[in-house]
Parts: sequence; structure tokens; C-alpha cells
Amino acid sequence: GENVEQHPSTLSVQEGDSAVIKCTYSDSASNYFPWYKQELGKRPQLIIDIRSNVGEKKDQRIAVTLNKTAKHFSLHITETQPEDSAVYFCAANILTGGGNKLTFGTGTQLKVEL
Amino acid sequence: DAGVIQSPRHEVTEMGQEVTLRCKPISGHNSLFWYRQTMMRGLELLIYFNNNVPIDDSGMPEDRFSAKMPNASFSTLKIQPSEPRDSAVYFCASSSPGHEKLFFGSGTQLSVL
Repeated sequence: GENVEQHPSTLSVQEGDSAVIKCTYSDSASNYFPWYKQELGKRPQLIIDIRSNVGEKKDQRIAVTLNKTAKHFSLHITETQPEDSAVYFCAANILTGGGNKLTFGTGTQLKVEL
Repeated sequence: DAGVIQSPRHEVTEMGQEVTLRCKPISGHNSLFWYRQTMMRGLELLIYFNNNVPIDDSGMPEDRFSAKMPNASFSTLKIQPSEPRDSAVYFCASSSPGHEKLFFGSGTQLSVL
């Protein structure tokens, strides 16, 4: 099955700096890569996603890049703010007619310091 | 829509007792997922249903765990008998036909003493 590895497990940045979280996946058939943000005590929520036919996607201060050849994808947050502090999960998915099975990375605890 | 609804929010029980977690997916969503979250193992997919049919239960840790989806608006995850190592947050999530985005419920914090 799919295996997703995520690094780093913790990341501390100063407010205004950029943060980068990296993930690798094992199954070359994976074709959908979402990122979820989970604030303390709350549910994971989708913040951005990318499909395998796209190399990069941006949404305001966040962006994702995908390298299919190397089987890795990254989340970039620019101009970080205290409210960006949370756990971020990457995931990989093979879209089939039979379902939608997401495999998550182990998460990155991001702390944005004032 | 109220989103994915899970109950109870918190459950404290003693080892050996039966535990039943409940989930109501978003109306119109045809896929339902049960995840378990722990510090050590992160978010693990236990089982998922498509159109009320279990598609993949390879993540169910042991025979003590079972899940059902009797209709499109309700699912249960049962642990019998429960053990302290089952302590975790259990999330239910759903997605709509043709869409990959998962909507998570608020989770059930389970503590088995």
C-alpha cells in the first residue's frame, strides 16, 4: 500500500518568515495530494490540494509543489503568522471508481513565534 | 448543513467494556471513513465505506474492532472488549461523489482505563 513520510516533525519559525514542510510517497499511481491543518483540539481541515497533472498551486500565502519523478511534494507558507501555528498533515491518494483512500503523513507541528 | 456529526465527544470507560462510536455523515456524501489519531501513529485509516458498502477494512487493528453502515446517514464503530491501548481520538469523515475532499467530524476522545 501507499506509504507517506513527512518531515520535519516539528518546525519553529519567527513571525514573517517562511515555512516549508516536505513529504514523500511510495506509490507512483498516487494522483491526488491534499494538505490538512489541525489546530489544537480541533478537526483536520483541508487547506490546499494538488493533482498529479499540476506541478504547483498557490492560494494566497500557501503553495504546494509536486515532483512526480522524485515522488515528493511540499507545502510552503510565506509571511507566517501566529494563527498558522498548528499541526499540518500531508496525504496521498489514488483516485479510483471504488473509493477515495487517503494515506496521511505523521504530521508537522508548526510553531510561529512572535 | 451541520457537517459530519460524531457522538459522543468524550468517552471514558474501563478495560473490557464495549464502546460504540457514532457518526452521521454530511447529507449527500456517499463515502465515509473512520480514522484513529494517536501521538505515536498519527492519523490511521481504519475502514471506509462507499455507498454503505465496506471497501477497505485493512486498517482495522483486530477482531475487537467492527464497523457498520446500515444506511447512508449513519455509521458505528464498535470496540469489544476495549483495552487501554485503544485510547485515542477517533475521527469520522465523509466525502461527496466524485470529490476527494474529506470533511472531518469533531472526533471522539476515547479513554480506556
